[in-house]
Amino acid sequence: GDSVTQMEGPVTLSEEAFLTINCTYTATGYPSLFWYVQYPGEGLQLLLKATKADDKGSNKGFEATYRKETTSFHLEKGSVQVSDSAVYFCALSEGRGSTLGRLYFGRGTQLTVWP
Amino acid sequence: ETGVTQSPTHLIKTRGQQVTLRCSSQSGHNTVSWYQQALGQGPQFIFQYYREEENGRGNFPPRFSGLQFPNYSSELNVNALELDDSALYLCASSLKGSNQPQHFGDGTRLSIL
Repeated sequence: GDSVTQMEGPVTLSEEAFLTINCTYTATGYPSLFWYVQYPGEGLQLLLKATKADDKGSNKGFEATYRKETTSFHLEKGSVQVSDSAVYFCALSEGRGSTLGRLYFGRGTQLTVWP
Repeated sequence: ETGVTQSPTHLIKTRGQQVTLRCSSQSGHNTVSWYQQALGQGPQFIFQYYREEENGRGNFPPRFSGLQFPNYSSELNVNALELDDSALYLCASSLKGSNQPQHFGDGTRLSIL
């Protein structure tokens, strides 16, 4: 079945360091891919998305490229800030019959950025 | 633009009781999905509603049921609560379609004693 695998956390970085959080997926067909961020005590916020191969999603300095050949959607940021500390979730959505629009999430990666 | 709102924020119940959680969709959205997020885990899909009908269901027993109303708001009902039902319950609204991003509320934290 469809699934998402994220790199295990936690990830701890100093401010201005480079961030990569790996995400790979398993799906049949052509999924849409998403990154969501969850701050403490809150719900999930959409960070970025890509709906077809080679698309690059970007937002707030974060980027991820949909790589069909490697079934990956790695999240990157060139220079992290303390305010980026949160849990990051990779997710996929594939329309197939009655499960149209269902999101499959990875387990999440906790990021902590120190000043 | 009003976002997704959920109520209540927190709830404490005992085993065997029943609970109803509520969700108001973001303006313009016609699809509502519910997810269960256990501590330290990613959200798990419970079900989705579109045009007041269940459009898909995850691996949850029938004691998890839902409703969607004509204004696209929604309820999640859980009967015969079990200790393992303790979790954060998230509602997400969207337009219908697999490439449409889902917008989440802040969730209801349900604790079962």
